[in-house]
Amino acid sequence: EDKVVQSPLSLVVHEGDTVTLNCSYEVTNFRSLLWYKQEKKAPTFLFMLTSSGIEKKSGRLSSILDKKELSSILNITATQTGDSAIYLCAVDPSGTYKYIFGTGTRLKVLA
Amino acid sequence: DTAVSQTPKYLVTQMGNDKSIKCEQNLGHDTMYWYKQDSKKFLKIMFSYNNKELIINETVPNRFSPKSPDKAHLNLHINSLELGDSAVYFCASSPGAGGIYFGEGSWLTVV
Repeated sequence: EDKVVQSPLSLVVHEGDTVTLNCSYEVTNFRSLLWYKQEKKAPTFLFMLTSSGIEKKSGRLSSILDKKELSSILNITATQTGDSAIYLCAVDPSGTYKYIFGTGTRLKVLA
Repeated sequence: DTAVSQTPKYLVTQMGNDKSIKCEQNLGHDTMYWYKQDSKKFLKIMFSYNNKELIINETVPNRFSPKSPDKAHLNLHINSLELGDSAVYFCASSPGAGGIYFGEGSWLTVV
C-alpha cells in the first residue's frame, strides 16, 4: 500500500532556531513530492521536487529530495513565529496525480 | 480573483440532512479533487475528475456523490449526513504535473 510518513509529528522551537522536517515514502511509481504549509485555512504550496539532489530554495525555506532513501527534508532556518503551522508532504505514487498526503508535522515557534 | 473557490465556507446541519458543497476553479486546470481533512489534520483524497471524467474514487460511502458539469466545476453532494462526516472538505485543482492548488475549505459540522 502506498504510504507517506512524516516526522516528527510535532516540534516546538524558539525563534532563530533551525528546523529539519522529514518526509519518507513508499509508493509504486514515484513521480513527484510536494511540500505545503497549512496555517488556519487551506494548505499553501511551497515546493515540488522531482529530481534527487537538487535543492529548491525560497527565502529561509529549502527542500531536497533523495530518491535512493525515498525521502525528502524541509529545512527552515532562523525560524520566526510566523512559521508556526502544519507542514504537509504529498507524493504522487503512480503518475496518476493521485496525491497522497502524510500526517503532517505541527511546528510551533515560540517568541 | 480567487483561483479555487468553494461554497459554503461553513455549514452546520443536522444528522440525516442532505447538503452540497460547490467548487469552481479559474486556473484552466484539467483535474479537480475533493479531499477530506479530519480533526487530526489528516488530508485524505476522496475523488478526482479529469476533464469531467471520474478518475479516482477512493473508498468513500455511497452517500457522497461528486458531480462535474464542466472542467471548471466540481460539486460534492452528501446524503443522510452522519456525525462522522464532520470535517473540513477541500476542493483542489491541478494542471497535472505541477502540484495541486487548494480552495479555502468548507467546514462541515453535523449535529
